[in-house]
Amino acid sequence: EAGVVQSPRYKIIEKKQPVAFWCNPISGHNTLYWYRQNLGQGPELLIRYENEEAVDDSQLPKDRFSAERLKGVDSTLKIQPAELGDSAVYLCASSLWTGSSYEQYFGPGTRLTVT
Amino acid sequence: QQPVQSPQAVILREGEDAVINCSSSKALYSVHWYRQKHGEAPVFLMILLKGGEQKGHEKISASFNEKKQQSSLYLTASQLSYSGTYFCGTENPLSGGYNKLIFGAGTRLAVHP
Repeated sequence: EAGVVQSPRYKIIEKKQPVAFWCNPISGHNTLYWYRQNLGQGPELLIRYENEEAVDDSQLPKDRFSAERLKGVDSTLKIQPAELGDSAVYLCASSLWTGSSYEQYFGPGTRLTVT
Repeated sequence: QQPVQSPQAVILREGEDAVINCSSSKALYSVHWYRQKHGEAPVFLMILLKGGEQKGHEKISASFNEKKQQSSLYLTASQLSYSGTYFCGTENPLSGGYNKLIFGAGTRLAVHP
């Protein structure tokens, strides 16, 4: 079974430029998450989708970040304009309800460098 | 709100044991453990649920003390492949809600021959 797919794997942009990341979750997983991971830190949730609905976006910086999950499958995370502090690894994860909890599976991430 | 992991780093010789702890100041519903190798995605290890049993997979096991709001990950007879950063993610329904994990800063484990 294919895992969570993300692209691109690496992206280098200049500050003030836009950037977009794409995620394809594991087939059958209704819940999708976007995380940001700074160097030496654990992942930090940006947004969580249940099917097409964003059910938790409380930590998404909405002035410059946006996300969408059309048709409840693939998702795109966008930053416009990017700032130097946005340099990080952006991880996508999807989860399966086990009957008592959710098991989250992560993609390989996109390493963003803003210069 | 972020769980506290200890120690921050561990260096082992192959075959040695290690314990990694994860503590929260909030009541926990579940604790999730992941291992991440450099440049790779975090890999799911196991979940421990409130009221659940101690979990284990081969030589890696974990416990969950609900009263103390902490979990421990036990690595027995470590192998070179165990090297990486271990993260705990906690689920606090009263503060963060269900299905929202708050991750600790990680424990870096290095296993040498």
